[in-house]
Amino acid sequence: GAGVSQTPSNKVTEKGKYVELRCDPISGHTALYWYRQSLGQGPEFLIYFQGTGAADDSGLPNDRFFAVRPEGSVSTLKIQRTERGDSAVYLCASSYGLASDTQYFGPGTRLTVL
Amino acid sequence: GDSVTQMEGPVTLSEEAFLTINCTYTATGYPSLFWYVQYPGEGLQLLLKATKADDKGSNKGFEATYRKETTSFHLEKGSVQVSDSAVYFCALSDYGNKLVFGAGTILRVKS
Repeated sequence: GAGVSQTPSNKVTEKGKYVELRCDPISGHTALYWYRQSLGQGPEFLIYFQGTGAADDSGLPNDRFFAVRPEGSVSTLKIQRTERGDSAVYLCASSYGLASDTQYFGPGTRLTVL
Repeated sequence: GDSVTQMEGPVTLSEEAFLTINCTYTATGYPSLFWYVQYPGEGLQLLLKATKADDKGSNKGFEATYRKETTSFHLEKGSVQVSDSAVYFCALSDYGNKLVFGAGTILRVKS
């Protein structure tokens, strides 16, 4: 079936604006993860959903970042009052949710804050 | 907290050379260990994994053995190809599924 999809693939915004990034996981995957990858670095964990609830949001850098998954499928990562330091590739992954399950990654959304 | 350290790149090899990319980890529990690969223009994909000590993960000619005594998970391949050129990430998952990644190692294979 289809893999993890993310939209948009690229987003350019101005400092202070609000952005939403969308993730469509693989059908049947109950676990969904958001990561952020800065240039030359490995992905850093942001938040993990099991079903509709956030099971671990310890990676969200501050209260400008928020994510939802209202129906247990599609997820939206929301960033308020964007800053230039938020520029990065935002990756979404999904899995069946069991420990050590393979996480399947989407292509990412490249966010640029001017 | 948990962390992963991998050798800095770029690593440049000739075709058919032997590859080793070193990876060591720090974790409070008994993590699962992974190697992910990112080919140019593509997303991250799992290359191999090992879930307990002494397990060997293997795929596409790549191998890595989970060494608890040295907290290592080094990636090896006996004969690299140009098509192996990519960025390789070592990662661990401990207590709760989230992945902790190393900084990545760029591999360039010349023909």
